Amino acid sequence: DGGITQSPKYLFRKEGQNVTLSCEQNLNHDAMYWYRQDPGQGLRLIYYSQIVNDFQKGDIAEGYSVSREKKESFPLTVTSAQKNPTAFYLCASRIPGGVTEAFFGQGTRLTVV
Amino acid sequence: DQQVKQNSPSLSVQEGRISILNCDYTNSMFDYFLWYKKYPAEGPTFLISISSIKDKNEDGRFTVFLNKSAKHLSLHIVPSQPGDSAVYFCAAGEGNKLVFGAGTILRVKS
Repeated sequence: DGGITQSPKYLFRKEGQNVTLSCEQNLNHDAMYWYRQDPGQGLRLIYYSQIVNDFQKGDIAEGYSVSREKKESFPLTVTSAQKNPTAFYLCASRIPGGVTEAFFGQGTRLTVV
Repeated sequence: DQQVKQNSPSLSVQEGRISILNCDYTNSMFDYFLWYKKYPAEGPTFLISISSIKDKNEDGRFTVFLNKSAKHLSLHIVPSQPGDSAVYFCAAGEGNKLVFGAGTILRVKS
């Protein structure tokens, strides 16, 4: 079945360490997104990519980095520069252009201790 | 500064009645809007969308209304069911950038 997969579901890291969250899709979508959810703040856009080898900063990109070397994959690295990394991270993909829905993965809960 | 605002953190409705969820936006360049439903620790699921050239879109129990001059959209759920209890997010798109609001918790009481 086509879909979008985030792994792992739960991730624990020590403060000061970089960590990479995986996002893979087999929907053949060009556009991919990373969001962060914190209580009471909804989904805030970290980065998005419209096509391979291209990505744009969202509203809260500081302390994060991404790459888009393959259409299917859009990994997010949470660096030690991110001051409050503990959150629920969601990846999404969609067909770019027009009124098309974004499909979401099941999310990764990152806890930094 | 939030470009998409859902000013009601929560809403409680009796089963069978109408639920109205509201969303305001500030960026007049947004050209499409979507509503999503979300349960805890899961990804959001798509409900309904509307293009900026329309003022209404209907799909079963769900209707979205768009008032461009007021920069306001709303989601109507009729009749509301207990299974509709979840967090509802509105989202607005400008090109491929998709921005979400903070969400509204809907509780449907039986």
